[in-house]
Amino acid sequence: SQKIEQNSEALNIQEGKTATLTCNYTNYSPAYLQWYRQDPGRGPVFLLLIRENEKEKRKERLKVTFDTTLKQSLFHITASQPADSATYLCALNTGNQFYFGTGTSLTVIP
Amino acid sequence: NAGVTQTPKFQVLKTGQSMTLQCAQDMNHEYMSWYRQDPGMGLRLIHYSVGAGITDQGEVPNGYNVSRSTTEDFPLRLLSAAPSQTSVYFCASSYSVVRTYNEQFFGPGTRLTVL
Repeated sequence: SQKIEQNSEALNIQEGKTATLTCNYTNYSPAYLQWYRQDPGRGPVFLLLIRENEKEKRKERLKVTFDTTLKQSLFHITASQPADSATYLCALNTGNQFYFGTGTSLTVIP
Repeated sequence: NAGVTQTPKFQVLKTGQSMTLQCAQDMNHEYMSWYRQDPGMGLRLIHYSVGAGITDQGEVPNGYNVSRSTTEDFPLRLLSAAPSQTSVYFCASSYSVVRTYNEQFFGPGTRLTVL
């Protein structure tokens, strides 16, 4: 079955720094990979999608890279703010099914 | 648009009881799905549907049933609740799995405890 690993359970960084989160997967080559944000007690919210033929995607302070050879996606938040504190999930699909990583909890310290 | 709605928000059951978690979306999405989220396990797919009348099993379907009689509604039934089904349940929808740009919209979740 598909296995998705996110780099660490928790990441603490200083405000203004760049946060980098890692998503590694095995056993399949997805057509695209998604990143979501989840706040405590709430459902995940979609942030970005990157396709297999795209190396990089940007949206405001967010940047996602996708290396299908390494089977890895990196998620960057530049100029981080305390409001960016949340859990970030990566997800990929195989056919009609989606698989999610366990998430990385990010805390941005003022 | 209300988006994806789920009821109830909280539920406590006794072992062996049955219940239905409700999910509805008003975005005319083809694809709907149910996940459970447990600490350290991430979101795991229970069942999904690619359209009215079509459902299929996900990664962890045992103990759950679904039906999709309309595009809008996708209820999840627990047949005989067990403590292992204590979890937070999320319903999600998207236009279509095969669309290139295919974000999933999640409901607020149902926190279920089985005693």
